[in-house]
Amino acid sequence: QVTLRESGPALVKPTQTLTLTCTFSGFSLSTSGMCVSWIRQPPGKALEWLALIDWDDDKYYSTSLKTRLTISKDTSKNQVVLTMTNMDPVDTATYYCARMRGSCYSGGWFDPWGQGTLVTVSS
Amino acid sequence: QSALTQPPSVSGSPGQSVTISCTGTSSDVGSYNRVSWYQQPPGTAPKLMIYEVSNRPSGVPDRFSGSKSGNTASLTISGLQAEDEADYYCSSYTSSSTYVFGTGTKVTVL
Repeated sequence: QVTLRESGPALVKPTQTLTLTCTFSGFSLSTSGMCVSWIRQPPGKALEWLALIDWDDDKYYSTSLKTRLTISKDTSKNQVVLTMTNMDPVDTATYYCARMRGSCYSGGWFDPWGQGTLVTVSS
Repeated sequence: QSALTQPPSVSGSPGQSVTISCTGTSSDVGSYNRVSWYQQPPGTAPKLMIYEVSNRPSGVPDRFSGSKSGNTASLTISGLQAEDEADYYCSSYTSSSTYVFGTGTKVTVL
C-alpha cells in the first residue's frame, strides 16, 4: 500500500523560508520511472502544481514559482523535501505531495495523495 | 501557465447525469492525452478518478467517464449519487513540462 505524509511548520512568518517534508512508503524513488510532485491549495481555492522530482534526480518547477522553489530527495529515508523562499501571506495553503504515475517526462497523473499540511503565513 | 477553465458549479438530481468541462489550450489539453480528473470531498485530499482522458483506476465506479475533443476535456457522472457531491478538478500536462489544474467545479446533488 502506497502512503504519503506531509510534515512541516503550521505557521511561518513573511519573508521566511518554508521547508516541507514528504515521507512515503510502498514505493522507492530509486526505482526507474518513479516521481513525486508537490501541489498546494489555498483555502477555498483551486489546486496549483508546484514541483516534481524523479528517480534520476531530474526536477521540474512551476514556471511562476521556480525562482522560489527547490525540490530534493533522500532516497534512503524515502523522503522528498520542498523549500519555498520569501514566504508571503498569499502562500497560505494546504500543501500536498503525491506520487506520480504514468510518465514523469511526457505526462502523468497524481495518485495517491498525502493528507496535506496547512501552512499559514502570518506575522 | 493559466489554469484550465471549469464551470464553478453543476448540479443534478439523483440518477441524473452531469458533465463537467475543462477547457485549456493547444499547449496542454489539446496536445496531450494526459488529462486526469480528481474528486475532493470537503476537508479531504483529492482522489484520482480518471487518468489519460478516459481511463478509470480500479475501484472507481463506472458511472464516471472521461472524454476529450480538441482543447476541451469532459468528465461525466452518470446515475448521480449523493456520495458524488464534491469538488472536481481536471489536470493536464503542458508543453513546458509542467502541470496545470483546472479552476474546480462543485457538484451538488439536489
